[in-house]
Amino acid sequence: AAGVIQSPRHLIKEKRETATLKCYPIPRHDTVYWYQQGPGQDPQFLISFYEKMQSDKGSIPDRFSAQQFSDYHSELNMSSLELGDSALYFCASSFSGEVAGELFFGEGSRLTVL
Amino acid sequence: AQKVTQAQTEISVVEKEDVTLDCVYETRDTTYYLFWYKQPPSGELVFLIRRNSFDEQNEISGRYSWNFQKSTSSFNFTITASQVVDSAVYFCALNGGNFNKFYFGSGTKLNVKP
Repeated sequence: AAGVIQSPRHLIKEKRETATLKCYPIPRHDTVYWYQQGPGQDPQFLISFYEKMQSDKGSIPDRFSAQQFSDYHSELNMSSLELGDSALYFCASSFSGEVAGELFFGEGSRLTVL
Repeated sequence: AQKVTQAQTEISVVEKEDVTLDCVYETRDTTYYLFWYKQPPSGELVFLIRRNSFDEQNEISGRYSWNFQKSTSSFNFTITASQVVDSAVYFCALNGGNFNKFYFGSGTKLNVKP
């Protein structure tokens, strides 16, 4: 079965540069979530989208923005990168029609800021 | 407030030992879901189990078993006859309320030595 696809899997950037991560949810899923996991930490919720509208917001820095497109894929844009942005970024998706609460996670995109 | 506590930061066992990972949660929701995820060194989050708040039946899957007790707000995970491949960080998570985001515990790192 198709899973959540994230790209790129690895990304290296310099301080103050910009990075974009992409997420392709499981077909039929209408909700996308972004999580950030720093080294040795648990995943922290950043933001979520339902039907292309932002549905919830967590600890996402103002330097970050995200959107969900008409095909339900989502992109996380990170500008003015800082060393502390180095982390594993997970995208997850779910289908709102299923009251099951399960999120399906992608394999993550590892961002390294030098 | 939603909160998940995994008090055990790191556990080391010798292969074939049984080990229990503790998870205590807080929520005001009457309907919620609890999860366990495994995160091996490669970084991906591997879904292990989902349990809804109305189902307190314990579950066994091979060497894995889960003990859900609403009275103590706990959802503990036991690995029987541990193996080296079980070495990973294990996260307990709660999805409640509007089901828009997960609340992860801080994770328990399990080291299984040969």
